[in-house]
Amino acid sequence: SYALTQPPSVSVSPGQTATISCSGEKLGDKYVAWYQQKPGQSPVAVLYQDNKRPSGISERFSGSNSGNTATLTISGTQFMDEAGYYCQAWDSNISVFGGGTKLTVL
Amino acid sequence: EAQLVESGGGLVQPGGSLRLSCAASGFSFSGFWMHWVRQAPGEGLVWVSRISMDGNSMSYADDVKGRTSISRDNAKNTLYLHMESLRAEDTAVYYCAKEGYFEEFDLWGQGTLVIVSS
Repeated sequence: SYALTQPPSVSVSPGQTATISCSGEKLGDKYVAWYQQKPGQSPVAVLYQDNKRPSGISERFSGSNSGNTATLTISGTQFMDEAGYYCQAWDSNISVFGGGTKLTVL
Repeated sequence: EAQLVESGGGLVQPGGSLRLSCAASGFSFSGFWMHWVRQAPGEGLVWVSRISMDGNSMSYADDVKGRTSISRDNAKNTLYLHMESLRAEDTAVYYCAKEGYFEEFDLWGQGTLVIVSS
């Protein structure tokens, strides 16, 4: 079955740029969405179709997807960005999530 | 305001069954595919199932296939998930989610906790 792999954790200093990767076989041939989940809350989509931001999502969130890797980039990272981030894609009518990355801002 | 509200979670014994509900409001429920996604305590998101707008097409994750059934009642704006032969590893918060125009999950409920334990 199709699998998406993310690093378990990423750390970044406030104001710096955070990058979170998501890898899967020929992932660049698929659209990737990214979700942010803060403790005790439901997930929220921050990107869809690789790099499009839903209404209300900060311009600091951007994305790319090529080859076997999709990347979520958060520029000017703020303490409020500390959360779990999940990539998601579709493979043959089955949706797949990555294992999630805990972003720590310190 | 668009909203999804899950209910039906609780404590169930191994081998038991459960039906979860998700009440939708604030959007045209019948116009969107709907999904269930679960999250075990301290773990990541796992997609469970989806159903088409008219309820005639469904798909399931391998982990639940054969013991899970997704359905919807568009007249009641409600999504359901019926699970049988429950196992300890089915313990999770179950979220319903609305599929957006670009196959993303653009609206999530608050989740309902299912605990499978004797």
